[in-house]
This record gives sequence, C-alpha cells and structure tokens, in this order.
Amino acid sequence: EVQLAESGGGLVQPGGSLRLSCAASGFIFSSYDMHWVRQIRGKGLEWVSGIGTAADTHYPDSVKGRFIISRENAKNSLFLQINSLRAGDTAVYYCVRAYFSGFGDLNDHYHMDVWGKGTTVTVSS
Amino acid sequence: DIQMTQSPSTLSASLGDSVTITCRASQSVSVWLAWYQQKPGKAPKLLIYKASDLQSGVPSRFSGSGSGTEFTLTISSLQADDFATYYCQQYKTYWTFGQGTTVEI
Repeated sequence: EVQLAESGGGLVQPGGSLRLSCAASGFIFSSYDMHWVRQIRGKGLEWVSGIGTAADTHYPDSVKGRFIISRENAKNSLFLQINSLRAGDTAVYYCVRAYFSGFGDLNDHYHMDVWGKGTTVTVSS
Repeated sequence: DIQMTQSPSTLSASLGDSVTITCRASQSVSVWLAWYQQKPGKAPKLLIYKASDLQSGVPSRFSGSGSGTEFTLTISSLQADDFATYYCQQYKTYWTFGQGTTVEI
C-alpha cells in the first residue's frame, strides 16, 4: 500500500526553526516528484515546496528563502526545513506525491495523487 | 500567479441531489486541473485529474468537465459520504488551489 507518514511538527517560538520529515513506503520513492502542502486551520490549501527526481527544487515566492525541501532516496524520505518561523506558518503540513498527468505546452504536468495525514506546526511564544 | 476561484463557497443539498461546483482560473490552465475532497481532520483525497479523468477507486457519480479557464465538478445522486469540502487545483504553472466549496446537508 502506498503510504506517506509525516513527523517533526510541534510548538516552536517565533524566529525558530523546524525540520519536518516524511517517510514513504509502498512505491519507488526515487521515481517520483514530491511536495509539501500546508493548510492553516479552517482555511484552504497552499503549496509550499516541491522537489523533482533530480533534486531540483521549487518554491512559491511566499516562502522562498525560508523553506528548504530535500530528499534522501536511500531512506525513502522527504524533508522540509523551515527557518525564521512566523505565526503565519502555523498550519498542518502535508507530504504529497506527484503523479505524471500528461505533456502539453512544452512541459510535463503533474497532479498530486497521494497525501500523508499531516503534521501540525504551531508557532507561538 | 494563477488564481483559482470556486463558487459557491457553501452549497446546501439533500441526499440524492445532483450538485455542481464551478472553478474559474485567472488565465488558461488548459486541462491541467484537479479536484480533491476533504473531510474534517483528514487529508485531501484526489477525485479528478486532467479536468475529467476519474481517479482509480472514485465512484462514477463524480465527474469533471471544462478546459481553459472554466471547470465544473458534478456529483450526481449525493450520498451521505459526499458531504465534505471540495477544492480545485491548477497544475499548469506550479500549483494553486481554489478556496474550497463546502457541501452541507
């Protein structure tokens, strides 16, 4: 069974750092792009980082410079380093697998097909 | 950035009803549009990808249509298990989600 299990969330003071982990199982981890998506309590979903099979990384402008996504294929693991934490980073963080959807406009396109249960990050003094 | 707008924000319906949720993109996303279902305290679940392709294991009462900037998710014959929040997501250029539509009894 394909599974993603996040860990590493918790209570952190503003300005602190946190490293989230995601353990993947049931599929060939190294063959898939992976993402982190967060959800502020009671609000919508926000993509916050992605990493390709060649370890190429992508971020929205809203987190660029503070979030660092990485992977360790030998351990089937995905990571998210969050620095300079702010109250606005308080959210549930999901680890998500990307799946090839098709080719168009000279690019490959990937939807998100498998989600972990999430880990909660709370930023508060 | 591509912005996604869903309507309505909340939809009241009854068991057996057919309901339609609309998602509009601020610019064309071609067919690179997915729909997700989320229940309270749970992770989102993929329902539809590439605008109209049904994810394996998803009941056929769910269907998607559209291309370019306007898309719809239709649930025919609502079941008790379908009361949830639904999100659209474009993946033409990075990934952005709509604000969600809650289907309530």
